[in-house]
Amino acid sequence: GENVEQHPSTLSVQEGDSAVIKCTYSDSASNYFPWYKQELGKGPQLIIDIRSNVGEKKDQRIAVTLNKTAKHFSLHITETQPEDSAVYFCAASKVSGTYKYIFGTGTRLKVLA
Amino acid sequence: NAGVTQTPKFQVLKTGQSMTLQCAQDMNHNSMYWYRQDPGMGLRLIYYSASEGTTDKGEVPNGYNVSRLNKREFSLRLESAAPSQTSVYFCASRPYGGSTTTGVGFSYNEQFFGPGTRLTVL
Repeated sequence: GENVEQHPSTLSVQEGDSAVIKCTYSDSASNYFPWYKQELGKGPQLIIDIRSNVGEKKDQRIAVTLNKTAKHFSLHITETQPEDSAVYFCAASKVSGTYKYIFGTGTRLKVLA
Repeated sequence: NAGVTQTPKFQVLKTGQSMTLQCAQDMNHNSMYWYRQDPGMGLRLIYYSASEGTTDKGEVPNGYNVSRLNKREFSLRLESAAPSQTSVYFCASRPYGGSTTTGVGFSYNEQFFGPGTRLTVL
């Protein structure tokens, strides 16, 4: 079945350093890739997304890259801050029908002050 | 504008008891979803409703039923709770059923999540 693998499961970085989280998807028909941030005790919230007709998208300190051939996509956070500490989930979806997401298993990011 | 609300926030059940988790959204969204979140497994789709009047199974539907009561409300029912259903449950909604662009500030495919219900089955 459809699957999204996410690595690493935990990531610790020093404040100001960069963080990279990687995902691989199995369904080549997937064409929409969102990233969600979940803070403790809250529901996930969209932080950035990318469609398959774009290779890279940037929003201030966060960026997402997509390699369709390899079926890889990555989240890049630069100049990390303590408030970036959270669990991050990637997902893959198809832009048709019901827009069901297949989520990765999550990455717990800790930014050390 | 409260977004997506879920009740209750916490619940403890005994094996075999039944309960209904409530979800409501005030954003006039067409699609609604129920997920469960377990450690190390991410979020898994239980059921979804693409539009009012329709429901369909997701990845892990066994032991659950849903009702799309109206456009605003989508409930999840556990008829006979089991310890394996101990989890955090999230409801989500999505603005549009089609692929057209959304309004300002939306990603057209974004799902908006509620705060979750933490359920423990003893």
